[in-house]
Amino acid sequence: QKEVEQDPGPLSVPEGAIVSLNCTYSNSAFQYFMWYRQYSRKGPELLMYTYSSGNKEDGRFTAQVDKSSKYISLFIRDSQPSDSATYLCAMLGMWYKLSFGAGTTVTVRA
Amino acid sequence: GAVVSQHPSWVICKSGTSVKIECRSLDFQATTMFWYRQFPKQSLMLMATSNEGSKATYEQGVEKDKFLINHASLTLSTLTVTSAHPEDSSFYICSAPPESITAKETQYFGPGTRLLVL
Repeated sequence: QKEVEQDPGPLSVPEGAIVSLNCTYSNSAFQYFMWYRQYSRKGPELLMYTYSSGNKEDGRFTAQVDKSSKYISLFIRDSQPSDSATYLCAMLGMWYKLSFGAGTTVTVRA
Repeated sequence: GAVVSQHPSWVICKSGTSVKIECRSLDFQATTMFWYRQFPKQSLMLMATSNEGSKATYEQGVEKDKFLINHASLTLSTLTVTSAHPEDSSFYICSAPPESITAKETQYFGPGTRLLVL
């Protein structure tokens, strides 16, 4: 079983829709939870970063963490074509090691 | 903010040659750096942890004699793909944690190096 599970999609939504992404994890030691966005042939860029259960909002993005269920989510409101990318969840473990989900490819149709 | 650079950004080489990829932290010191590999449409897979002044730690299944890592200074780690073969063609990304975990980022990622072995 992988430490981090993420549905690779692909996910296609119309412009303006809400994009919903999620990951599950098995390692209770994970304390920091991140969502990265990666465009083709580029390094990942951090979108959201949280370390506690609950919600965190940043503009059109909302990250949710439920440590009891080992489940994290990312919601993108009012999605735009420019949001089309691969979204990776990641969790920080011991010694700063990041464990990544498989990544979900999202396409927002104009 | 802190920046991690990689050089080269892409490289094409013949099968059997060795390729060196550099990862630099530009305005902070990194005692630890990480090397990832990403195949098309797949996630980042951690290959090894590079430690300044000591041997790298490799993840299970990664050949240490194939992927040589040298972390000679607090700002530079190098990954050398020895005797590269077409199956080594991939996107290689390095990262470094910030000097303090309270910083906004938990990792600073380089822009990646695309390797194509013919």
